[in-house]
Amino acid sequence: GESVGLHLPTLSVQEGDNSIINCAYSNSASDYFIWYKQESGKGPQFIIDIRSNMDKRQGQRVTVLLNKTVKHLSLQIAATQPGDSAVYFCAEISGTYKYIFGTGTRLKVLA
Amino acid sequence: NAGVTQTPKFRVLKTGQSMTLLCAQDMNHEYMYWYRQDPGMGLRLIHYSVGEGTTAKGEVPDGYNVSRLKKQNFLLGLESAAPSQTSVYFCASSYPLTTGAINQPQHFGDGTRLSIL
Repeated sequence: GESVGLHLPTLSVQEGDNSIINCAYSNSASDYFIWYKQESGKGPQFIIDIRSNMDKRQGQRVTVLLNKTVKHLSLQIAATQPGDSAVYFCAEISGTYKYIFGTGTRLKVLA
Repeated sequence: NAGVTQTPKFRVLKTGQSMTLLCAQDMNHEYMYWYRQDPGMGLRLIHYSVGEGTTAKGEVPDGYNVSRLKKQNFLLGLESAAPSQTSVYFCASSYPLTTGAINQPQHFGDGTRLSIL
């Protein structure tokens, strides 16, 4: 809910512009990465994922980039819309169940 | 398409009371998880289950117990609630992660907001 986002970094973007949200991950052995979107009062919603054998993957209006050299993940949202306003966080996965979640970035879309 | 359903959505407890949070999934997932989400922190794993009848501790298991008597249900219990357990609790489910091309992200419910006074 709202209380979860109190201490999050915020990215403000004009409607129609592109958004880039970044994430640094910690474990060089992580081999699967996911971006989630969380709207106020809702659970995390899957957006896009990528395996470590790839450096780029595209979905509908979203692109995930993976740079294993510097352990960095980014989410690009094209033509940002008001409905994209939410908290976005990444997850890195190693093994069969171990997820490590980032704290998230709040995206605000300005009309 | 219900996905992952959590009940209740909100609850207020007094210190020392007990309660059970319910999670049900209709995707035939083997794996189920309980997380808590607190301000300024990422989701933290409390307990998880890799199949019916099995459970295991996650990162922050103290003060919680779980049971997975049926494949589709995963219960989280607080035996004696403490103010430090005030949080938003999320249940998730997934197929087992496997190496290779098949990606199996966790699917989340909408959470239970729990306040302990």
